[in-house]
Amino acid sequence: QKEVEQNSGPLSVPEGAIASLNCTYSDRGSQSFFWYRQYSGKSPELIMSIYSNGDKEDGRFTAQLNKASQYVSLLIRDSQPSDSATYLCAVKINAGGTSYGKLTFGQGTILTVHP
Amino acid sequence: GAGVSQSPSNKVTEKGKDVELRCDPISGHTALYWYRQSLGQGLEFLIYFQGNSAPDKSGLPSDRFSAERTGGSVSTLTIQRTQQEDSAVYLCASSLRPELVGGTQYFGPGTRLTVL
Repeated sequence: QKEVEQNSGPLSVPEGAIASLNCTYSDRGSQSFFWYRQYSGKSPELIMSIYSNGDKEDGRFTAQLNKASQYVSLLIRDSQPSDSATYLCAVKINAGGTSYGKLTFGQGTILTVHP
Repeated sequence: GAGVSQSPSNKVTEKGKDVELRCDPISGHTALYWYRQSLGQGLEFLIYFQGNSAPDKSGLPSDRFSAERTGGSVSTLTIQRTQQEDSAVYLCASSLRPELVGGTQYFGPGTRLTVL
């Protein structure tokens, strides 16, 4: 089992729809969760972070975390063609010691928003 | 201030040559990370620096890979005797307070390495 798994995609949604991206993780010591957006040929750009169970909203983006079920999701409302990118789920274990801060990434989900 | 910078942006080399990749983190960021992104492998952690020391080198794929950081700032990733499987985008990230739950990592633009 991979440490961080994302729905494989690709995901295609029409403009204006809600895009739903899912991620599960295996290590219960994980404490911080991040969603990065990566345009083709560019580096990852942080769009959302979440640390507590529940929802966190920022503009059109909502991150949801459920630690009991070990999943984190990202909802994009009113999707725009400019949202078309690869979305990477990343998990960080804040256990101290030598490896804290290291991010473990999922494989990414390619999202296409068509006009 | 300026973000994370990396150089060169592209590097083409012949199999068996050594290469050096450079990362200049955000000023004041004590933590620095190297990742590698290749097709089929996703984004993989290579090494983590806190200041000038590297407490976690667990992601380095072989002893051909090494990295150093001087003055708590610039880092160099060196790959000796490059192989075709080393072809990838090498990404550097830095963080101000990695020990915090919310310690965010900011990525540089990456170096695309092609080994012929």
